[in-house]
Amino acid sequence: EIVLTQSPATLSLSPGERATLSCRASQSVSSYLAWYQQKPGQAPRLLIYDASNRATGIPARFSGSGSGTDFTLTISSLEPEDFAVYYCQQRSNWPPLITFGPGTKVDIK
Amino acid sequence: EVQLVESGGGLVKPGGSLRLSCAASGFTFSSYSMNWVRQAPGKGLEWVSSISSSSSYIYYADSVKGRFTISRDNAKNSLYLQMNSLRAEDTAVYYCARDLARASLYWYFDLWGRGTLVTVSS
Repeated sequence: EIVLTQSPATLSLSPGERATLSCRASQSVSSYLAWYQQKPGQAPRLLIYDASNRATGIPARFSGSGSGTDFTLTISSLEPEDFAVYYCQQRSNWPPLITFGPGTKVDIK
Repeated sequence: EVQLVESGGGLVKPGGSLRLSCAASGFTFSSYSMNWVRQAPGKGLEWVSSISSSSSYIYYADSVKGRFTISRDNAKNSLYLQMNSLRAEDTAVYYCARDLARASLYWYFDLWGRGTLVTVSS
């Protein structure tokens, strides 16, 4: 089973600052990695898929990069609505298995 | 409006059963693979099960294999999760989620419901 590790667990930043979130896989997932944002009491929202493709309606300040085992989600300039928990997710075709990372909480400094 | 609405959650005793439903609207339900994802209170996300658009392909997480059954009724625009032999560790909010791509299992989730809470406790 592929295990995803996210760092840091918590990121304390101010609005306008740049956020850099990391996701590491225990073995290569090629580019099959997504990022989700979840706010308290809400369902997750897809931000990035296939490591670097923004989902429909996602602002350009969100970008993803990486391949193999190391991935990064960057928020270029934090808006007040960006303070949330972010999860990475990988998909493996065989055996069919989807796993999520433990999450990174981005909170207001 | 494009949306997914889950129902059927509640309190159930260990060993009991529950059937969750997810009603889809605003898109061509029969064209998309669908999924269940759960989140235990205060914890992260866990994929539970996936079903292809025509029900030809079905997959489960090891943690629920043999106990849960996913199904769909495209005529009713509905997704289901039959949960048997429930355990305390199945306590979670259960989300219905649409696959990103039409007509295939892409396993990224671009549309989510608000979730339904399942509590397994005596």
